[in-house]
Amino acid sequence: KAGVTQTPRYLIKTRGQQVTLSCSPISGHRSVSWYQQTPGQGLQFLFEYFSETQRNKGNFPGRFSGRQFSNSRSEMNVSTLELGDSALYLCASSLGDSLTDTQYFGPGTRLTVL
Amino acid sequence: AQKVTQAQTEISVVEKEDVTLDCVYETRDTTYYLFWYKQPPSGELVFLIRRNSFDEQNEISGRYSWNFQKSTSSFNFTITASQVVDSAVYFCALIPNNAGNMLTFGGGTRLMVKP
Repeated sequence: KAGVTQTPRYLIKTRGQQVTLSCSPISGHRSVSWYQQTPGQGLQFLFEYFSETQRNKGNFPGRFSGRQFSNSRSEMNVSTLELGDSALYLCASSLGDSLTDTQYFGPGTRLTVL
Repeated sequence: AQKVTQAQTEISVVEKEDVTLDCVYETRDTTYYLFWYKQPPSGELVFLIRRNSFDEQNEISGRYSWNFQKSTSSFNFTITASQVVDSAVYFCALIPNNAGNMLTFGGGTRLMVKP
């Protein structure tokens, strides 16, 4: 079974721009979660989508948003990029039937903001 | 709120040594789930194990073993006869039963296994 895929793998943007990252979950998984990883803050939860609805949200500003499509694929968007948004963005998928299902992660998208 | 602490930020061992990675957690929930993930240089978090708070049995999987002790709120991970391929950052994580699908991670332990 194919794992979680994320595109693109690397991205370079400048301050003020916006960016969209994509995540395709493992087949049959209906929940997609997003995490930000930085050297200073570590791994932090952004949000989770299940059946096209945001089910949980972390403590991030409104510039960070996401959505999920009917095929469970998800996108996250960051608007008005700041230097501090440079990070590895990880997507994880899980079955979604339980709020504590095991999450399986993709390879991440490394975003650099200049 | 919950918290996961991995006090060892970096460990260096020589191949074939045994190594234990410590994980201490805090949560007010009586039902929770603990995880270990491995992050090799490629960046992907690889799932290693999941335990629930009602199962304190230790687990062994090949060279990997886990020791869960509720009395000390610890969930330690031991690699026996370490290999160079074990070099990675290891994360311990927690989900309380009522926290939604939100993993709380520790800061990670970077393990370097030298030949």
